[in-house]
Amino acid sequence: KAGVTQTPRYLIKTRGQQVTLSCSPISGHRSVSWYQQTPGQGLQFLFEYFSETQRNKGNFPGRFSGRQFSNSRSEMNVSTLELGDSALYLCASSFTDDSPLHFGNGTRLTVT
Amino acid sequence: QKEVEQDPGPLSVPEGAIVSLNCTYSNSAFQYFMWYRQYSRKGPELLMYTYSSGNKEDGRFTAQVDKSSKYISLFIRDSQPSDSATYLCAMSEGGSEKLVFGKGTKLTVNP
Repeated sequence: KAGVTQTPRYLIKTRGQQVTLSCSPISGHRSVSWYQQTPGQGLQFLFEYFSETQRNKGNFPGRFSGRQFSNSRSEMNVSTLELGDSALYLCASSFTDDSPLHFGNGTRLTVT
Repeated sequence: QKEVEQDPGPLSVPEGAIVSLNCTYSNSAFQYFMWYRQYSRKGPELLMYTYSSGNKEDGRFTAQVDKSSKYISLFIRDSQPSDSATYLCAMSEGGSEKLVFGKGTKLTVNP
């Protein structure tokens, strides 16, 4: 079974631009979560989607948004990029609420 | 006080050693406890997933949860160079929802 797939693997953007990251969950998984990983803060929860609805949201500004499609694939968008948004963005999926999260290999975003 | 505390290391051990990794937490509502392994330039890989207190063993890995002390551990027996990675503890109130991670412990196993 294929794992969580994230595209692109690497992105370089300029301050003020916006970016869209894509995630395909494991087949059959309906819950998709996004996390930001930085050396200083570690892994931090961004948001979680289930059946196209956002169920939970972390403490990030409104510039960070996401959505989930009917096939469970998900995208996250960051608008008006700041230097501090440089990070590894990880997508994860789970089969049910009681089952563990499985992560993709992430998208490395660099903002210059 | 951070919700989850994990010693960042680095930790360096000889091949074959027993490795002990630990996390403490402050939120008594946490019910689900996980350990992930992360290699450089890869995403976290699930190693262990436990609910509530107790022990769980999987091959060379043993996870322990002591909710009364708010303390979780991961033991690696007969450590191998391929175990060299960063180990992340994670926990949540509800399964896969809103995991809170430790900062990770970087482990090196020397041949």
